[in-house]
Amino acid sequence: GEDVEQSLFLSVREGDSSVINCTYTDSSSTYLYWYKQEPGAGLQLLTYIFSNMDMKQDQRLTVLLNKKDKHLSLRIADTQTGDSAIYFCAEWSGYSTLTFGKGTMLLVSP
Amino acid sequence: DVKVTQSSRYLVKRTGEKVFLECVQDMDHENMFWYRQDPGLGLRLIYFSYDVKMKEKGDIPEGYSVSREKKERFSLILESASTNQTSMYLCASSQSGQGEGYTFGSGTRLTVV
Repeated sequence: GEDVEQSLFLSVREGDSSVINCTYTDSSSTYLYWYKQEPGAGLQLLTYIFSNMDMKQDQRLTVLLNKKDKHLSLRIADTQTGDSAIYFCAEWSGYSTLTFGKGTMLLVSP
Repeated sequence: DVKVTQSSRYLVKRTGEKVFLECVQDMDHENMFWYRQDPGLGLRLIYFSYDVKMKEKGDIPEGYSVSREKKERFSLILESASTNQTSMYLCASSQSGQGEGYTFGSGTRLTVV
């Protein structure tokens, strides 16, 4: 079945770049997403990428997609303490529901 | 701005009570979803609905039911609350056939004592 895997934890220093990685198994994935969840809150859509793209940039965020390896990454440039949150990767193949990873907790220290 | 509103941020209920969690969206979305989120388990889909009066079981429907009488409202019902249903509950909605993903509510933290 479909599966999305993420590492559970990442710790960086303020000002560094953060890279959060995700792998998925469904080769028919049409869209891939990154969501951010701050403590005690719901999930907020950060960005998404269509499967025919290999990169998308949005201000400090860069998404890279390697379709051959089924690997998605989110790079956050100049990471700030306000970026501390849980980041979820998700994929959608155009039918049924989104499949989410278990989330990566990003801790940014001053 | 699009919005999914969950009626309560925090709820405390007693074991055996019938509990209603309400979710309303103002985006005219066809699809609505209920998830629960637990540490180490990520998001688990309880029920979803593609249209009014329609419902589909997700991965963990046991102990839950849902109601969708109007397009904008999707209710999750715990028929007889148990302590293992203590969790964060997240509602989401989406538009069919579009890739913009889901819009989530702020969540309801339910504690069953």
